[in-house]
Amino acid sequence: SAVISQKPSRDICQRGTSLTIQCQVDSQVTMMFWYRQQPGQSLTLIATANQGSEATYESGFVIDKFPISRPNLTFSTLTVSNMSPEDSSIYLCSVGWAGWGYGYTFGSGTRLTVV
Amino acid sequence: SQQGEEDPQALSIQEGENATMNCSYKTSINNLQWYRQNSGRGLVHLILIRSNEREKHSGRLRVTLDTSKKSSSLLITASRAADTASYFCATVVTGNQFYFGTGTSLTVIP
Repeated sequence: SAVISQKPSRDICQRGTSLTIQCQVDSQVTMMFWYRQQPGQSLTLIATANQGSEATYESGFVIDKFPISRPNLTFSTLTVSNMSPEDSSIYLCSVGWAGWGYGYTFGSGTRLTVV
Repeated sequence: SQQGEEDPQALSIQEGENATMNCSYKTSINNLQWYRQNSGRGLVHLILIRSNEREKHSGRLRVTLDTSKKSSSLLITASRAADTASYFCATVVTGNQFYFGTGTSLTVIP
């Protein structure tokens, strides 16, 4: 399975600013996913980032708030825009390996606190 | 609505005992997966069971799936202190629709 490097590992940001989270994979992967884990909650899929096309967002998540880039098969970024304290969460990128039905590898996460 | 609700929310057992966690979901699925999350670490895929399978084994792990009841269970046999973690079930409906449960926090006491 792939190895993922995600950064920053944590950040404290001011309300109204934006933070871009980077996800680097050690091999080429077709599908990359971004998740959010709010305190005490399970993981929630934000969007799927496929190279060469616009990201597909899940219900409740919009591109203006969470723009995603996927310039190549090994890299993706998620930006959390115009942040509010409600955005405080852990954000994780994930890649699918051996096809979407065979499991996923996750990054170590970015712990975001908005003050 | 969210897929995958797990119980118990927290489980504490003695080392050597078996741990059982259950997962229920609401709609038809393609497959169900179990993940482990150690504190401060990323999620680790444990096992995948497809909708046409009823039971799978992997080492000390045993997973069952009952599609008529829309439920799954994860059994960890002969638990070890290193098994202490949060365990999540994740249901895959179609394509990239991938939903995690609320998780079970397992503590194995040495």
